[in-house]
Amino acid sequence: GQQVMQIPQYQHVQEGEDFTTYCNSSTTLSNIQWYKQRPGGHPVFLIQLVKSGEVKKQKRLTFQFGEAKKNSSLHITATQTTDVGTYFCAGREAAGNKLTFGGGTRVLVKP
Amino acid sequence: NAGVTQTPKFQVLKTGQSMTLQCAQDMNHEYMSWYRQDPGMGLRLIHYSVGAGITDQGEVPNGYNVSRSTTEDFPLRLLSAAPSQTSVYFCASTVARRGPSTDTQYFGPGTRLTVL
Repeated sequence: GQQVMQIPQYQHVQEGEDFTTYCNSSTTLSNIQWYKQRPGGHPVFLIQLVKSGEVKKQKRLTFQFGEAKKNSSLHITATQTTDVGTYFCAGREAAGNKLTFGGGTRVLVKP
Repeated sequence: NAGVTQTPKFQVLKTGQSMTLQCAQDMNHEYMSWYRQDPGMGLRLIHYSVGAGITDQGEVPNGYNVSRSTTEDFPLRLLSAAPSQTSVYFCASTVARRGPSTDTQYFGPGTRLTVL
């Protein structure tokens, strides 16, 4: 079955630094979604990418969808303490329509 | 709109007990799902529904039943609780999947379940 892997599992970042988290699918995707979950909270939708090679920005967050539509990345610049949380990607299979979540990247920010 | 609501927020059960986790949405979404999230892990799909009267199994359906008699409600029933079902349960809804642009999942606040 479809597998979605995220790396790294944990990311300790100094406040003000940049970091990137990666998402890789075993199958081709029709779209990929990113969610953020604050500690003790529920996942909240951030963005959806649909087109091959698509890049979208939300303030300090940059999302990219790979050319082959099997991988994605989230890059955060100038990390702030408000970025603390777990970031999940979720890939919708191109064939079969199944949505699978990655294991998440848990981000901890050192002030 | 209240969005997606879940009750209860917290629940403690003894092994063998049964209970129903409630989920409701007021956005007229056709597609609803139940996930479980274990500590430090991602979300695993339990059951989902593409509309009233239609349900299907996800990745980890064993020990759970669902029904969808209305568009708004999608309850999850634990038949005979086991310690392995200790988890946080999230309900989510989305607009009918007419295309990838309508695929956003809206999550409820979760139910934290402990089975002793």
